[in-house]
Parts: sequence; C-alpha cells; structure tokens
Amino acid sequence: AQKITQTQPGMFVQEKEAVTLDCTYDTSDPSYGLFWYKQPSSGEMIFLIYQGSYDQQNATEGRYSLNFQKARKSANLVISASQLGDSAMYFCAMRGGTSYGKLTFGQGTILTVHP
Amino acid sequence: DAGVIQSPRHEVTEMGQEVTLRCKPISGHNSLFWYRQTMMRGLELLIYFNNNVPIDDSGMPEDRFSAKMPNASFSTLKIQPSEPRDSAVYFCASSPGLYTFGSGTRLTVV
Repeated sequence: AQKITQTQPGMFVQEKEAVTLDCTYDTSDPSYGLFWYKQPSSGEMIFLIYQGSYDQQNATEGRYSLNFQKARKSANLVISASQLGDSAMYFCAMRGGTSYGKLTFGQGTILTVHP
Repeated sequence: DAGVIQSPRHEVTEMGQEVTLRCKPISGHNSLFWYRQTMMRGLELLIYFNNNVPIDDSGMPEDRFSAKMPNASFSTLKIQPSEPRDSAVYFCASSPGLYTFGSGTRLTVV
C-alpha cells in the first residue's frame, strides 16, 4: 500500500522569502513517481512538479524545486521567492508501479504568503 | 488542447435524486480517474479506467455509486439515490504521464 504524509496543516511565509513544504511517503514499489499540485481558492488542481524515483537529479520548474531524499523517503517542495499568488493548498501525491497507476494524495498544506 | 472537461460545474439536487457527472478526457489519454474531495477525507480515488476498462473500483463508497466509460472520450459517474453525505467536489483526471485534472463538479445534496 502507498501512503503520503504531509505533516504541516498550515504554513506562513513572507513575500519574497523561500518556503519548504514537507512530504514523506511509503511504498514497496521499486519504481514510483512523486507529484506536487497546487489548489488555489478557485478549486482547480494545478500540476507543479514531478520527480521519478530513478531520477538522478532533483526536479526543478521555475521557482519550484523538489528536494528528493530517497533514503529518507521524503519529497519536499521548495518554493523560492514566494509571491502573494502562491497562497493556496498544496498536495503531495505518489504514483506507484505502472505509468497508468493511481495517484495517492497527502492531506495537503495550506500556504499563506504575507505581504 | 481543451484539457479535461467536466460537467456540470455545479450541481444542487435533493436527497434521493439521481445525479450524473460527466467527463471528457484529453484526446489520446488512455487512463481516466474519478476523485472525490471533502474536508474530512481529503482527495480520495473512487475508480479508474485504463483503455475504457475499470481497473480499480475499490474506492467507490457503496452500490449507490456507479461509473462507466463507454468510449475513450467520455465517462460518467452516477449516484443513485443521492444523499447529503455525497456532497463534495468530484474531479476527473486523465493520463498517462502527468495527470491532468478537470475543473471539478461541486455537488450539493440537500
């Protein structure tokens, strides 16, 4: 069984500062993928970044980077230079096994960016 | 690319009525997923299809819920009869590779 844990119900950050959102996972699959999604107050699910379990380098997408520590089973999202528009719910998710496998989500972290 | 299209965006219905939610996946995507989001339970997978075949329906809460995918471009999630505890946002997503979510259907059962 796959499990995703996000231990921070809420996080606060000052505009222009960096913030790290924590995610740990548990799976017995040797091959898996890790995802981060953003859900603003409007409700849509926006894909941010992906990391494959065999990827040698940490994934980066603009201001988003994924701090992947395989031995510790953690996949933290780092947002640099926070903007007011980053205020949203953030979900960590994992796909195990085959590429069409289901995504298992964590409980989410609400990020609030202060001006 | 129009993305994953869900309809309706909002649905308000009375307890006991039948509700049908619709989803059009991205063309060429052969996997389709139905998720439900509530405050209490977060995002939970209800069912997913691969090449129009249901692969895992273990998340479907009970027999009142059913889902079909008659072809590669259309899927429905039906609740009959609906109950107030079914009130939630229902998302459809398609893949392979990166999962693309629809805008969701906010269902309210009164």
